[in-house]
Parts: sequence; structure tokens; C-alpha cells
Amino acid sequence: DIQMTQSPSSLSASVGDRVTITCRASQSISRHLNWYQQKPGKAPNLLIYDASSLQTGVPSRFSGSGSGTDFTLTISSLQPEDFATYSCQQTYSTPLTFGPGTKVEIK
Amino acid sequence: QVQLQESGPGLVKPSETLSLTCTVSGVSTSNSYWSWIRQPPGKGLEWIGYIYYSGHTNYNPSLKSRVTISEDTSKNQFSLRLRSVTAADTAVYYCARGWTTVTTYPPFFDSWGQGTLVTVSS
Repeated sequence: DIQMTQSPSSLSASVGDRVTITCRASQSISRHLNWYQQKPGKAPNLLIYDASSLQTGVPSRFSGSGSGTDFTLTISSLQPEDFATYSCQQTYSTPLTFGPGTKVEIK
Repeated sequence: QVQLQESGPGLVKPSETLSLTCTVSGVSTSNSYWSWIRQPPGKGLEWIGYIYYSGHTNYNPSLKSRVTISEDTSKNQFSLRLRSVTAADTAVYYCARGWTTVTTYPPFFDSWGQGTLVTVSS
């Protein structure tokens, strides 16, 4: 199985901050990496697929980059509605696996 | 607009079978990949498996011996059965639509149900 790790596990930031979250795969997954946002008590919501493609309806302040084993999700200017947990997922091979999540909290 | 809704018992006894159904609206279940994903309280997401294109299935090997995913296209539903459950199977269970692109397979998940908490306890 491909193991996914994320850093940091949590962070505190202010509205307007630029936030970067890192995801690392245990082996190369090309660009088969997706990002989800999850708010408490809600289902995950797809933000980015194929490492850098923005899902329809997702604000342009979200962006993704990377390939191989190292990937990044960036929020260019953090908004109040962005406080949530962010998880990465690889779709290079089954079993599909997710990262443990990064919780973005209000400073 | 695709909508998914999970239904089923919220409490299952140890050693029994967990059964959930996902009802899909807005699109036919004859297309796409239809998946189950779970999340134990306070933990990360775990993919259980999916069904696609007239009944083909793909399961997580960690659960494969206990899992069956099936579909009823006449009702636009798909279902999960997880046998011999233990407390470790307590989780929020989500159904989701898997989607592929010309450059992506296996699928990512672009539409999700709201999730349903299933507790395994006597």
C-alpha cells in the first residue's frame, strides 16, 4: 500500500495569511494526488485533483502543485470559511489511501 | 446535480453484519464508480471499495474478506455489507461517486453523501 503523510498535522493562521500544507507519498505517484477539505460533522469536499486541477466551483485562492512523492496545497489568502481539515489522497493505485489530515485553526 | 444519501442502522452488535444503502439522485448508477469510505471518530479516511460498470468491484485488501458492495440499478442504489464487525468498525460511513479523467484512474471522489455514524456495540 502507498502510505501518505502530511505536515504539519495542525497549524494556526489568521485571515489573510498564505497557508501551505505538504503531502508526501511513500513512493512515486506521478501527479495522481487529490486534496479534500472537511469541516466538522460534514463530508469531505474535493478541492484539487490530478495535483493541480481546480475542481469546479472551488475558489481560485486554492492551488496545488507537485509530482512524484511531494505535493503542496496552498491557500493564497485564508478566509474565515477555510478553517477546516485538509486531507490528501493518492489515486495512483488501489488500495486508495488518504493522508491523516492537517487541521487549520484560527490564530 | 448528483446527490447521495446513506441509510441503515446506526447500531450493530459485535460479530453481526453492518448493512448500509446509498441512494443516488441526479445521475444513473449505471455509470461512474460508486464507493464506500469510512472515518473512525477522530481519525482519517479509509477507502473500503467501489463498484463500477455493471457490477465489477474493487475492495481494500484489508477488508476484502468481510466486504461486499452491490448495486440495484433499478432503484439507483448501491449497498455495503460488512460481516463479523467489531468495535474497530465503528465509524462514520460515507458513500461517494468516483470520477475519472483522461489522465486519472483509479477515481477520485467528487460527490459525497452526508455520512452516517455506525456504532458497533452490544
